Amino acid sequence: AQSVTQLDSQVPVFEEAPVELRCNYSSSVSVYLFWYVQYPNQGLQLLLKYLSGSTLVKGINGFEAEFNKSQTSFHLRKPSVHISDTAEYFCAVSDWGTGTASKLTFGTGTRLQVTL
Amino acid sequence: GAGVSQTPSNKVTEKGKYVELRCDPISGHTALYWYRQSLGQGPEFLIYFQGTGAADDSGLPNDRFFAVRPEGSVSTLKIQRTERGDSAVYLCASRSGSGVTGELFFGEGSRLTVL
Repeated sequence: AQSVTQLDSQVPVFEEAPVELRCNYSSSVSVYLFWYVQYPNQGLQLLLKYLSGSTLVKGINGFEAEFNKSQTSFHLRKPSVHISDTAEYFCAVSDWGTGTASKLTFGTGTRLQVTL
Repeated sequence: GAGVSQTPSNKVTEKGKYVELRCDPISGHTALYWYRQSLGQGPEFLIYFQGTGAADDSGLPNDRFFAVRPEGSVSTLKIQRTERGDSAVYLCASRSGSGVTGELFFGEGSRLTVL
């Protein structure tokens, strides 16, 4: 079984500042990793995913994340945030072993609040 | 429609009543998932369909919860004898194919409130 820990429930940041949202996972097998974003009154939307290969993954809206196997982390970063990035961000994991079941285990989410 | 559609968007019911929540996935998507998101929590897996069959229902909390997908498209999540603890946002998602690598598309959810 896997688990995901997002230690920061809220992250306040000023516009144009850099931001990092932390995600750590636990799994006994190799995993796939995902970041989803949920804007107010909207469904979850995929930001980026790590399946294999390069550990630095680039996603939509200027976000990127780096997979670190030794630290079991998949932190999300953006060099300069915008007001429109205000949303809830969820890290999720799926282990290779689930095969076609492909269910995701989500963290509890981090609320990114961008202000002027 | 272009995305995953869920109805109703809001449902208020009384303890003990029966509730149905509907999900209309993206056309052609064979994989369909139900998740439940309680306040302050991330989505929790309930059940997964591949076509018409439930491939994994290990997340259903108890036998009051049941889901069907009789024709391999629209799915209905059914909750019997609702309890206050069932209050949550119920999310539906769909994906083309059966592998984990494809993008999962989520609906906006059905918010269930049990009084």
